[in-house]
Order: sequence, then C-alpha cells, then structure tokens
Amino acid sequence: EPEVTQTPSHQVTQMGQEVILRCVPISNHLYFYWYRQILGQKVEFLVSFYNNEISEKSEIFDDQFSVERPDGSNFTLKIRSTKLEDSAMYFCASNQGEGFTEAFFGQGTRLTVV
Amino acid sequence: RKEVEQDPGPFNVPEGATVAFNCTYSNSASQSFFWYRQDCRKEPKLLMSVYSSGNEDGRFTAQLNRASQYISLLIRDSKLSDSATYLCVVRRRFGAGNMLTFGGGTRLMVKP
Repeated sequence: EPEVTQTPSHQVTQMGQEVILRCVPISNHLYFYWYRQILGQKVEFLVSFYNNEISEKSEIFDDQFSVERPDGSNFTLKIRSTKLEDSAMYFCASNQGEGFTEAFFGQGTRLTVV
Repeated sequence: RKEVEQDPGPFNVPEGATVAFNCTYSNSASQSFFWYRQDCRKEPKLLMSVYSSGNEDGRFTAQLNRASQYISLLIRDSKLSDSATYLCVVRRRFGAGNMLTFGGGTRLMVKP
C-alpha cells in the first residue's frame, strides 16, 4: 500500500540552527501539507502546497518557515533559526486532488530544539 | 470559539461497551468531515469519512448534521485495540487548496 514517508524520524537541533524535514508524498497525489503537533496538543495546520506553490498557510507559518518541492518526489519543510517552541512532531500529508478529500499522513518527524 | 470542538475525555469503557463521541464545528463553509484515529506519538490515520446520510463501517457509525454543525462517531462492541485518541477533522476548500482543521481529540480507553 502506498504511503507517505518522512525522514528523519527524530531530529535534535540546537536553538538558532536551521533544519530541513523531508517528505515523500504518495506518488500520484497532487496536494501536499505540513502539520505540526506540540506534545499533548492538537494537530495544527501549517501550510498547503499545490502546483508548485503555497496555496494556503497559517499564522504559525511565518518567515521562519519555507517549503519546497525540489524534484518530482520530495517535499521539504525548512525551519530557519529554530526556537525552543518549534519542538514538536511535524507531519507531512498528501491527498490525491479534486473531488478526493482524504489526506494520508506520514509517520512524522519529532523535532527537538535544545 | 474553536473551529472544531471535541470533549477531550478520557472515556473509560469496558470491553464490549458502546461509546459515542461528539464534535461541533463553527465554519459553515466546511465541506468534508472525517474521523481520524491517533495512537500515542503516532500519525493520524483515517478511520472514516462522514457523509450527510450517515455511514457505517463495521462497528463504527458516523453521523453528520449540517444544520447543527455537529458530527458524531459511535463505536459498538468496543475492543481493547480501540483505545486511542479520536480526532474530528473538517475540510474547507479555498482557492486551489484544501485545509484540514483538527479538533483536539477525544481519548478512549477500553479496559478488560
């Protein structure tokens, strides 16, 4: 069964460093998303991406964040100058497109900023 | 008001019990509705979509009331493996994109 894969599963970084979280969405999916979940809190929308551009972003997704689809398979989230409060589980998701609404999630990357 | 609200629980039930979860959403432009299941420190996994006419998948029944902006999930004959957090999720379309908004989740613990 096709699945969304994320790497790494766990990333520890020092405050102020840049991190790149990687995702490989399901191959025939057209819409891609990043969500985050701070420990013990709800899943929060960060950004959606379609047709090689951001289609929507939340207030959380400020200038510190960027996304990219550098080739036909990877979808990355970059966090510049990480802060302690960026520590969370980051989930990538994808869905197939028009008229198809279920989104499938990767297993997540646990980011710990120290 | 939160866009998607759920009772956080926990709901502690014995095996075999029937349990119901409720969810309300505030944005009337919401178009699609889902229940996801999340195990501790794992990713959300789609349990079922929720259709206007109501739908059933084995022991799970979902209902949607658009007028009241209310969604429910009923689990019959609870199993130990049903222990998880159940997330009510609402999709809204905007431009070329979609956004899923999650409720805070309802925690279910099924005990022997």
